[in-house]
Amino acid sequence: AQKITQTQPGMFVQEKEAVTLDCTYDTSDQSYGLFWYKQPSSGEMIFLIYQGSYDEQNATEGRYSLNFQKARKSANLVISASQLGDSAMYFCAMREPSNTGNQFYFGTGTSLTVIP
Amino acid sequence: AAGVIQSPRHLIKEKRETATLKCYPIPRHDTVYWYQQGPGQDPQFLISFYEKMQSDKGSIPDRFSAQQFSDYHSELNMSSLELGDSALYFCASSLQLVGPNEQFFGPGTRLTVL
Repeated sequence: AQKITQTQPGMFVQEKEAVTLDCTYDTSDQSYGLFWYKQPSSGEMIFLIYQGSYDEQNATEGRYSLNFQKARKSANLVISASQLGDSAMYFCAMREPSNTGNQFYFGTGTSLTVIP
Repeated sequence: AAGVIQSPRHLIKEKRETATLKCYPIPRHDTVYWYQQGPGQDPQFLISFYEKMQSDKGSIPDRFSAQQFSDYHSELNMSSLELGDSALYFCASSLQLVGPNEQFFGPGTRLTVL
């Protein structure tokens, strides 16, 4: 089974609007971490936000917030007030423990296009 | 501010050759991670090191090896290269004590195997 599922291959949002990028995960561990990364067309990978499985409050970083619903195993990224520079590929990722140490799994990504 | 440095940025090799990719983490960062991202693919975690010791192991092929040196830089050694090894290889670093969950990525090394 896929560890990270991102069901939206592509999304469009109007500039200044908010957008939600979906992410669901699969783990039987109690201790895990969830990440979101941004990858612009230039190729670099940029860390956006982190949510620990034991964190009771949703993580926020500026215009980014993570809507963490543990029972549903979802960790959606909300970008408020979209900007043209937000156009990029967005990856959801999870860190979970294994017998060889932590493992990191990425989803297939969502391509976000911000429309002026 | 200093970022993660990777060298070379681009590398072209023939099948069955070897390649060495280098990663210089952000100063004072003690953890290094390696990822492989094939064309149009999501990144795959390969391996990580903390304080010069291997800490986590992902889907790193047996043909690959890596280490972290006393100055915290890391090298990914790839032998018997195959066409399927063509990918963007990212290195990331973090500081366990302060920000273990925030990985700063380098610009990547694009490896092409012909």
